[in-house]
Amino acid sequence: EVQLVESGGGLVQPGGSLRLSCAASGFSFSSYSMNWVRQAPGKGLEWISYISGSSSSIFYADSVKGRFTISRDNAKNSLYLQMNSLRAEDTAVYYCARQGYIPRSGMDVWGQGTTVTVSS
Amino acid sequence: DIQMTQSPSSVSASVGDRVTITCRASQGISSWLAWYQQKPGKAPNLLIYAASTLQSGVPSRFSGSGSGTDFTLTISGLQPEDFATYYCQQADSFPRAFGQGTKVEIK
Repeated sequence: EVQLVESGGGLVQPGGSLRLSCAASGFSFSSYSMNWVRQAPGKGLEWISYISGSSSSIFYADSVKGRFTISRDNAKNSLYLQMNSLRAEDTAVYYCARQGYIPRSGMDVWGQGTTVTVSS
Repeated sequence: DIQMTQSPSSVSASVGDRVTITCRASQGISSWLAWYQQKPGKAPNLLIYAASTLQSGVPSRFSGSGSGTDFTLTISGLQPEDFATYYCQQADSFPRAFGQGTKVEIK
C-alpha cells in the first residue's frame, strides 16, 4: 500500500524550531518529487515547499523562505521539513504530498497530516 | 507569482444536481491545473490533473475543462459523499498556488 506518514508536530514557542518527518512506503521513493503543504485552522491549503527526487531542485513559498528547509533521505524513504524562527502564523496542519509521476501533474498521495502549534 | 481565484466560495446544492466550480489563474498556465476534494479533518484527494485528466479511481461524474487562465470543475449528479470543499492548484510553475476553496453544501 502506498502510504505517507508525517510525524514531529507539536507545541512550540514563537522563535523556536521543529523538524517534521514524512515516512514513505509502498513506492519507489527516490523516483518521486515531494511537497509540503499546510493548512491553518479553518483556512485553505497553502503550498510551502518542493524537492525533486534527487534533491537537485528545491523551491519554497515566500512565506517560509529563509526559515524552513526541505530535505530528503532516499535511503531511509523519508522527507523532512526543518522549521526555524517559527511564528504564530505558522500554526497549521502540515501535510507531505507526493508529486505525480507525470511532470506538472497533481499531488497524488497525501499523508494524514501533523499539527504544529506556535504559541507561548 | 501566479494567483488562483475560485468562484463561488460556496454553493448549496441537492443530491442529483449539476455543480460547476470556476478557477481563474492570474496568468496563463496552459493545462497545468489540478483539482482536489477535501472533507473535514481529512487530507485532500486528487480528482483531476492536467485540467481534464481524471485521476485513477475517481468517479466519472467529475470532469474538468479549460486551458490558459480559465478552468472549470463539474460534478454531474451530485452524490451525498461529494459534499466537501474543492480546491484548484496551478502546476505550471513555482511557487505552486491553490485557489481559496469552494465549499459544496447540502441545500
